[in-house]
Order: sequence, then C-alpha cells, then structure tokens
Amino acid sequence: DQQVKQNSPSLSVQEGRISILNCDYTNSMFDYFLWYKKYPAEGPTFLISISSIKDKNEDGRFTVFLNKSAKHLSLHIVPSQPGDSAVYFCAAGGETSYDKVIFGPGTSLSVIP
Amino acid sequence: EPEVTQTPSHQVTQMGQEVILRCVPISNHLYFYWYRQILGQKVEFLVSFYNNEISEKSEIFDDQFSVERPDGSNFTLKIRSTKLEDSAMYFCASRDDGTYEQYFGPGTRLTVT
Repeated sequence: DQQVKQNSPSLSVQEGRISILNCDYTNSMFDYFLWYKKYPAEGPTFLISISSIKDKNEDGRFTVFLNKSAKHLSLHIVPSQPGDSAVYFCAAGGETSYDKVIFGPGTSLSVIP
Repeated sequence: EPEVTQTPSHQVTQMGQEVILRCVPISNHLYFYWYRQILGQKVEFLVSFYNNEISEKSEIFDDQFSVERPDGSNFTLKIRSTKLEDSAMYFCASRDDGTYEQYFGPGTRLTVT
C-alpha cells in the first residue's frame, strides 16, 4: 500500500542553495497534504501544509507546490541551511476522514556547509 | 510554545506483558492520535480519538490495543499482551479543531524482549 511515495531516499545540497523534495500520491481523494521534518530520536515536526484546492503555500524559507493533475507535490527550502539536515516526510489526509494521515517513507536531506 | 509530551521515553518489556504509553496532548486540542514507526519503516497511523471515543483505526489496531483519556489532560495507549513485533517508536499527536495540522510528541521507544 504505497499511497504516498517519496522516490528519493536521500538528497545532498550545498548550504545556501535550494533543496527540492518531491512527493507523489496515488489517491485523488486526498484533501490536504503536510510536510514534516524529523531528527533522529525525536517526533516529526510540522513544517507546512497545503489544501487540495490550492497550488502553492509559502511560509518563510519553505514553499510547497501542489500539482493535482500530476498527483505530485514538492517542498522547496530556500536557502538551505545545515540545520535543515533531517528526514522529511510527506503526508496526506482527508481520504476517508480528517483524521487518518498517511505518511510517505521519507527523504533524508543533508545540507553541506 | 505548547507541545505534546510523552512518557516514558523508553520502555522495555517482556513478551506477553501489558504496557501503557502515556501522552499529554496540547491543552486546547480536541483530536488525539497514536502512530508507530518500526525501525527503518514508515510512520503508520494507528488510531484517532475525539469526544471520548475512537473515530478511526487502522488494521494494525486490533483487540490487543486500546486507548483512553482517563482525565482532562492524559491520553494513553495500552497494549494488552505485547509481541516482539510491537517493538517500535510510538508517537502521540494532537490537533486543534478547524485545522488539519497534527503536532507530534517526541515518542516512546518500546522494546519487547
């Protein structure tokens, strides 16, 4: 059951450059999407969300883009900082209810100083 | 800033024993969740809870699992008879009414021997 996919297990980016993390989903019924950041031995930290009726949401250095026709979303981090090094999870919800959120497998981002 | 807290941070138990994992959600939140992450795997939804009852549960959440909100601040997950495959990180999350962002606690690492 791979309803939310993150096909890049890892990504390395130079400090100051843009990080682009990608996510694909299979179920067009998802109503909203979330991005979380996770450090080892900690819980996921909410970063940014987007409703399915929007195509872009921006919060500081983080921007999420949604392409519903392609069932694809991406998280842009500009500029990337070493503290951004973590695992990033894409998650989707609203398929059956507001409650159940389905996570992707995550992408490990390394920002190189 | 308000945060979700979880205790204990690490629990070791023998197979067949009962465990209770505890969570204190963010105080004005009304929706509560448990997720788990087996080492190397995705974060998986277990159960959601609202208005003192389960609103949704996954196939993982079988009769061995139960949740309770024993008072106005705590939210617990009980595993009646632990199995080796229950070893995982268990995350509690909570959500405010009218939003879909779930905020996660730091997790409890459960080790079943």
